[in-house]
Amino acid sequence: DVKVTQSSRYLVKRTGEKVFLECVQDMDHENMFWYRQDPGLGLRLIYFSYDVKMKEKGDIPEGYSVSREKKERFSLILESASTNQTSMYLCASSPQGPGQPQHFGDGTRLSIL
Amino acid sequence: RKEVEQDPGPFNVPEGATVAFNCTYSNSASQSFFWYRQDCRKEPKLLMSVYSSGNEDGRFTAQLNRASQYISLLIRDSKLSDSATYLCVVNPYGQNFVFGPGTRLSVLP
Repeated sequence: DVKVTQSSRYLVKRTGEKVFLECVQDMDHENMFWYRQDPGLGLRLIYFSYDVKMKEKGDIPEGYSVSREKKERFSLILESASTNQTSMYLCASSPQGPGQPQHFGDGTRLSIL
Repeated sequence: RKEVEQDPGPFNVPEGATVAFNCTYSNSASQSFFWYRQDCRKEPKLLMSVYSSGNEDGRFTAQLNRASQYISLLIRDSKLSDSATYLCVVNPYGQNFVFGPGTRLSVLP
């Protein structure tokens, strides 16, 4: 079974803080993704990576950055947290190739006060 | 028009009922299709991939109509544990996944 592990289930931070969300997968997948999910807006892609040290912007990258120094780990960074970044953050991974489904971590519910 | 559209629901059905969800997509270059289920405050989990010829997994049947750009999910003999939000997911060629907004299902005793 694919295992995608996110570092925290719940996180509370203050406005202006730098926030790190970590994601690790154990299936040697090439592709990794960060989404946020908000009521009424569905899942929106923030950043993704197809290889180590490689990153691409998704649909809503503003206010975020990512890091992929090792194949199994993909970090999402909120440079200066703001209240509109309060959300559920979901990490996913998939193998390379067409038709491959994504597998999600448990999610991190982040609140910015 | 949104890239992926679904019946918003909620669908409230009694145990044992058959329920069908519809999903339409706008990008004709879409190649891969999936249904995910998401329980309240949990992550999406892959329910099944959708193949051109249609496919079945126990009580679940998925159909794809490329000409009409339409995907469906049929659940037979609904169980209480089927209560969840069902997400239609489309993967256009060379692009990332596009998630539908989801259809909420409540199976009632």
